[in-house]
Amino acid sequence: DSGVTQTPKHLITATGQRVTLRCSPRSGDLSVYWYQQSLDQGLQFLIHYYNGEERAKGNILERFSAQQFPDLHSELNLSSLELGDSALYFCASSVDVNTGELFFGEGSRLTVL
Amino acid sequence: ELKVEQNPLFLSMQEGKNYTIYCNYSTTSDRLYWYRQDPGKSLESLFVLLSNGAVKQEGRLMASLDTKARLSTLHITAAVHDLSATYFCAVDRVWDDKIIFGKGTRLHILP
Repeated sequence: DSGVTQTPKHLITATGQRVTLRCSPRSGDLSVYWYQQSLDQGLQFLIHYYNGEERAKGNILERFSAQQFPDLHSELNLSSLELGDSALYFCASSVDVNTGELFFGEGSRLTVL
Repeated sequence: ELKVEQNPLFLSMQEGKNYTIYCNYSTTSDRLYWYRQDPGKSLESLFVLLSNGAVKQEGRLMASLDTKARLSTLHITAAVHDLSATYFCAVDRVWDDKIIFGKGTRLHILP
């Protein structure tokens, strides 16, 4: 158990809908990263927050947004969902902004029908 | 743009054999990480390499980093079936707060 909690574990929804994925980092970790893992696509970096502040964006679609709250949990919002958004979404945390050793949650598997 | 390339992407090997997975990256970075992912599971940190020439070993796995060549290797010695998994390398750069992963190497070890 990495100490990173993601909910929900599984989510099935329809095209055009909006969903919110939630992540609670390890106790004391200030950095939260979001990644998308599609079949054969590896891990695509989406966004990084540190202590409530956005630090870096990757190839995140405009339909996607995220935030990190004062209690350090983070949410990834996916809207106007398309079939191609079906993927495993991972959240990972690290103790500070200058280390890449990440602790991953179990992931949220999103299926868009 | 930082690019991280792993090869091979798929490797099937017999138990008892040795093999090496390669990770090349495109821009300057002094820090490289290796992760393991079992099918349907999360990622687990294996090695943290923070300087040129760094070498870390854990059991049958050994990782090394050559920052001048922008290359890291993950060497598997006398492979056993339990090492079957997907292995990812990841690179970060202090100045842009991104951690970029390679596509992963799917390792299948035949008993």
